[in-house]
Amino acid sequence: DVKVTQSSRYLVKRTGEKVFLECVQDMDHENMFWYRQDPGLGLRLIYFSYDVKMKEKGDIPEGYSVSREKKERFSLILESASTNQTSMYLCASHLNPVNQPQHFGDGTRLSIL
Amino acid sequence: GQNIDQPTEMTATEGAIVQINCTYQTSGFNGLFWYQQHAGEAPTFLSYNVLDGLEEKGRFSSFLSRSKGYSYLLLKELQMKDSASYLCAVEVANTGFQKLVFGTGTRLLVSP
Repeated sequence: DVKVTQSSRYLVKRTGEKVFLECVQDMDHENMFWYRQDPGLGLRLIYFSYDVKMKEKGDIPEGYSVSREKKERFSLILESASTNQTSMYLCASHLNPVNQPQHFGDGTRLSIL
Repeated sequence: GQNIDQPTEMTATEGAIVQINCTYQTSGFNGLFWYQQHAGEAPTFLSYNVLDGLEEKGRFSSFLSRSKGYSYLLLKELQMKDSASYLCAVEVANTGFQKLVFGTGTRLLVSP
């Protein structure tokens, strides 16, 4: 079974802090994704990566950056956290080709005070 | 733009059948996924449709009509553990990478 592990289930940070969310997958998947999930809005794509050191913006990249230095690890960075970034963050990975399902981590519930 | 509609909430009784609809208008279409998400947990893959018709997997079936921009997830012999949110996601074509556009999810409550 594919395992996607997010480093924290719950995180509380302060406005202006730099925040790192970590995600690791154990199945050698090429593609990794970061989403945020908000009530009434569904999952929205922040960034994705199709290879080491490669990244592409999703639909809502503003205020975020990502890092993929190793194939199994994909990090989401909030450069200067703001209260509107309080959300559930989900990491996912999938194997090529494009019709393979994404496998999700359990999520990090991030609160920015 | 991308638009995916599904009902916000549905209720059903244990042992019954329920159909969760999803309509979509997207700039491209490669296929459609259904995911199940229990509260506080990760979404898990249920089904994938790329061709018109019905795909059956045990108690769950999924239907697609590409010409109508319509899909449904059919759950039979409902069990209490089926209480969850069901997410419809369209795989948008022409990007070179898998890009999913998600609906807001349908929360299903199964009662005894």
